[in-house]
Amino acid sequence: QVTLKESGPVLVKPTETLTLTCTVSGFSLIKTRMGVSWIRQPPGKALEWLAHIFPNDEESYSTSLKSRLSISKDASKSQVVLTVTNVDPVDTGTYYCARGHYDEALDYWGQGTLVTVSS
Amino acid sequence: DIQMTQSPSSLSASVGDRVTITCRASQGIRNDLGWYQQKPGKAPERLIYGASSLQSGVPSRFSGSGSGTEFTLTISSLQPEDFATYYCLQHGTYPWTFGQGTKVEIK
Repeated sequence: QVTLKESGPVLVKPTETLTLTCTVSGFSLIKTRMGVSWIRQPPGKALEWLAHIFPNDEESYSTSLKSRLSISKDASKSQVVLTVTNVDPVDTGTYYCARGHYDEALDYWGQGTLVTVSS
Repeated sequence: DIQMTQSPSSLSASVGDRVTITCRASQGIRNDLGWYQQKPGKAPERLIYGASSLQSGVPSRFSGSGSGTEFTLTISSLQPEDFATYYCLQHGTYPWTFGQGTKVEIK
């Protein structure tokens, strides 16, 4: 069955770079039409779509965060990596990865990983 | 970017009530609209995609409609397990964007 699982640091200091990994199973990151998105949610607030990587390695980013985000994948490891540079306390929240396609939106989600940005 | 305006931001309803949530897009998105349910401490779950396609396993009391710029999620008879926060997501044009959410509370 399809699963996604996020991993990464629990605590990051301001100005540092945050690196998150999404490990997937049950589908291929290349031999498929489905890509993977990252979404985040500050405590008590709404969901925010961040980035998407397509099977052909094309990328799409949130306009407001584009300068600080980078998404990549290692298909051999079934992993998708998101980096967020120069983090600030407002980047605190739960980060989710999810499988997606423009015809079907986001169908399977990981459980999420909570990241706190604090000195 | 396409802005998604969701309303209301919260509502109180009783078990058995009919509930309607609306999302408006700042420009036309054909029928590329999904609805998600999120319970506290849990990841969102897809209810609807393509504006009206019901996710497998989701009860038929949930339905979606609309196209272009205006969309609705309807719960025909609210059940205790439906008290949650609901989000719309436009999935037709990158960057994708979510609505601000609607919290459905017990009256």
